[in-house]
Amino acid sequence: DQQVKQNSPSLSVQEGRISILNCDYTNSMFDYFLWYKKYPAEGPTFLISISSIKDKNEDGRFTVFLNKSAKHLSLHIVPSQPGDSAVYFCAASARKSGGSNYKLTFGKGTLLTVNP
Amino acid sequence: GAGVSQSPSNKVTEKGKDVELRCDPISGHTALYWYRQSLGQGLEFLIYFQGNSAPDKSGLPSDRFSAERTGGSVSTLTIQRTQQEDSAVYLCASSVQGRINNEQFFGPGTRLTVL
Repeated sequence: DQQVKQNSPSLSVQEGRISILNCDYTNSMFDYFLWYKKYPAEGPTFLISISSIKDKNEDGRFTVFLNKSAKHLSLHIVPSQPGDSAVYFCAASARKSGGSNYKLTFGKGTLLTVNP
Repeated sequence: GAGVSQSPSNKVTEKGKDVELRCDPISGHTALYWYRQSLGQGLEFLIYFQGNSAPDKSGLPSDRFSAERTGGSVSTLTIQRTQQEDSAVYLCASSVQGRINNEQFFGPGTRLTVL
């Protein structure tokens, strides 16, 4: 039973355009969400996070949007650069309601390719 | 500064053999986590250490899997009598403390192939 779903295995975008990566979740206890970026042969690196009390968090070219009613979040990268080409993982955690606040549940990832 | 390191980077073993995977966390990080990523899957939580104790082993798939951490630092994940379904990338992460807003820093992983 996948609690965090990334339904697009891959996405291809032209340099300078917007990349939009989507993530859906089923567990209503999740209240903290993160995006990780992974290059080949490296471990994932933290990119950006959002708490369920917010609907948007921005950091430079990266913005995460959260729609709690739809149990959906998205990562926007503007403008996209070739160096952004990587696998992006969505992750979620249940900090409250007795959930383990360290345990991350990951999606399967989306491979983003930014073409020059 | 040094990040999380893991060894070996690749391990090929025969079905039925035991393997040990090592993780060196970032110095001073009290929390340590093991995850695995099977082909085409997301990262799957295995175990969480706070110091040398493991308050959460809920993700270990079977009793063939065990892990220990000594001196609040190095951790070893042991898989006994390996099976082909154990083939995956095993990732270790550490954080300052075991709190969600403490960023988890990941190592590069150990790719395990069981023939």
